[in-house]
Amino acid sequence: GEDVEQSLFLSVREGDSSVINCTYTDSSSTYLYWYKQEPGAGLQLLTYIFSNMDMKQDQRLTVLLNKKDKHLSLRIADTQTGDSAIYFCAEKGPGNQGGKLIFGQGTELSVKP
Amino acid sequence: KAGVTQTPRYLIKTRGQQVTLSCSPISGHRSVSWYQQTPGQGLQFLFEYFSETQRNKGNFPGRFSGRQFSNSRSEMNVSTLELGDSALYLCASSLNRGEGYTFGSGTRLTVV
Repeated sequence: GEDVEQSLFLSVREGDSSVINCTYTDSSSTYLYWYKQEPGAGLQLLTYIFSNMDMKQDQRLTVLLNKKDKHLSLRIADTQTGDSAIYFCAEKGPGNQGGKLIFGQGTELSVKP
Repeated sequence: KAGVTQTPRYLIKTRGQQVTLSCSPISGHRSVSWYQQTPGQGLQFLFEYFSETQRNKGNFPGRFSGRQFSNSRSEMNVSTLELGDSALYLCASSLNRGEGYTFGSGTRLTVV
């Protein structure tokens, strides 16, 4: 089945690291994505990882992929108040559903000064 | 490089009416997907077009339809609007149906 799960809320202090977790069910997924959504805006692609990778780093963002446990995480180093937003994990649909993204419910990150 | 452009940004319609939303993908992107976002159901896939052909369709009634033109621009249409169709409709484009889907800012549809 297709299902992506995320915790709903995360609160951190400015300057700390944030870790947002996600689990997915489709072991054949080839791409996994992290998107950010600010109030009243669309989705901003933060980063994505191909399923044959374990880790991807892009400036303050680190993505870790554990294929065995179907677990994906996004670490934001030195979290700033401007990082407050909803973060969505998504997996690319399998096989002939390649153009479909399956999203989690989103994790609302609150960064306190 | 221009991003994904969706028009209009906001729309208010009455129950029973129909609506057409437009999406212009990033230049060169041939895949366009549509999503509905609501507080209760989250982000749900509507359909995907690639090279003017519908490649995938989500679990939405036939009142939801779409098309893609030869320049890759896409439109979606919702007929016989219901209150429950009130949502943010997001369009995304991709070069090759896989890497990095880029989303537009969305069209917020309110049905009254």
